[in-house]
Amino acid sequence: DAGVIQSPRHEVTEMGQEVTLRCKPISGHDYLFWYRQTMMRGLELLIYFNNNVPIDDSGMPEDRFSAKMPNASFSTLKIQPSEPRDSAVYFCASSPWAGGGNQPQHFGDGTRLSIL
Amino acid sequence: DQQVKQNSPSLSVQEGRISILNCDYTNSMFDYFLWYKKYPAEGPTFLISISSIKDKNEDGRFTVFLNKSAKHLSLHIVPSQPGDSAVYFCAATGANNLFFGTGTRLTVIP
Repeated sequence: DAGVIQSPRHEVTEMGQEVTLRCKPISGHDYLFWYRQTMMRGLELLIYFNNNVPIDDSGMPEDRFSAKMPNASFSTLKIQPSEPRDSAVYFCASSPWAGGGNQPQHFGDGTRLSIL
Repeated sequence: DQQVKQNSPSLSVQEGRISILNCDYTNSMFDYFLWYKKYPAEGPTFLISISSIKDKNEDGRFTVFLNKSAKHLSLHIVPSQPGDSAVYFCAATGANNLFFGTGTRLTVIP
């Protein structure tokens, strides 16, 4: 069974450029989550979708961040324009449910983003 | 404000001994607590969970204890093995949200 697939694994770009991170969730999972990992705050939930619809985007730090899920098998997280403080590891996760103990989330291997 | 806190950023333990990782939370409405394990360059993977109505859950070498009055949970690994060396994240669920701590890096010394 294929897990959650993220691309690219690494992205290095200059400040001001647009960055697009991609995620393919596990087939059949109705929930998709985007997280950001930093040393100071650990794993922060940015946004999550249920059946392709954004449910809670309160964790999105600024209007420069946007996320879409055009279909059940694909989601993007976009940063435009990017800034050095956006440098972090971004994870995508999916689950059959919103996050209860019996249905834990499955994470991709992350995208390490560096903004110069 | 962090609703889930892991106050120890790192822990070193000798192989064969017990590892105890701690986690505190602030919201008494959380209904499930989970531990995830993360190796470098990989995503977190689910390890073990506990419902808020229980005080202990065991799975092989891993046991999670929940103390609701203290809003505290801990993960015990016994015996610890070098392959257990990883970052461990505590998480809690409530109102369709999952809140993570900042992680504890466990190093098991052979």
